[in-house]
Amino acid sequence: AQRVTQPEKLLSVFKGAPVELKCNYSYSGSPELFWYVQYSRQRLQLLLRHISRESIKGFTADLNKGETSFHLKKPFAQEEDSAMYYCALSGGTSYGKLTFGQGTILTVHP
Amino acid sequence: EPEVTQTPSHQVTQMGQEVILRCVPISNHLYFYWYRQILGQKVEFLVSFYNNEISEKSEIFDDQFSVERPDGSNFTLKIRSTKLEDSAMYFCASSVGRHTEAFFGQGTRLTVV
Repeated sequence: AQRVTQPEKLLSVFKGAPVELKCNYSYSGSPELFWYVQYSRQRLQLLLRHISRESIKGFTADLNKGETSFHLKKPFAQEEDSAMYYCALSGGTSYGKLTFGQGTILTVHP
Repeated sequence: EPEVTQTPSHQVTQMGQEVILRCVPISNHLYFYWYRQILGQKVEFLVSFYNNEISEKSEIFDDQFSVERPDGSNFTLKIRSTKLEDSAMYFCASSVGRHTEAFFGQGTRLTVV
């Protein structure tokens, strides 16, 4: 069975501080990992995926297979980063069939 | 920019009634999905649909649920006889291919009373 765990429901930081949103997963095969973001009153949207190894809006995430983690990081948080962040896993059948974590609400204070 | 559109944004229905949630996927997308999120819980996969048939479904997607692409543009989720525990936010998503980004709709909040 596949599972995604985001241990923090809420995370608060001040503007300019580093931020790390934790994600751990459980999957027997080779997973595809994603971070989705939902800004206030907006739809879920893809932030980044591990296979593209890109930085989006200053965020990066590295897949650590040894620790089965895919933590999301940003060195200097901005107020506009305040949102709900979901870590998600695809077992490879399709990128649309996702197992989500419970989400972390990030609040960046001025 | 093209978007996945869901209607209605909020639906209230009586227990035992049938409800149809509607989605218009992005026009060149071929893969379609439904998810639900019960208040305070995770977003959960319900079903995926491709080439006019269900390709995968979860244990949640029992005989009370059905999906259809009736006219080449809409993608619907029907709940035959709603229960209180069907109250949730339902999200539709679509993607061009199996291994491309899934785009989500804004959701329909279903309240069963």
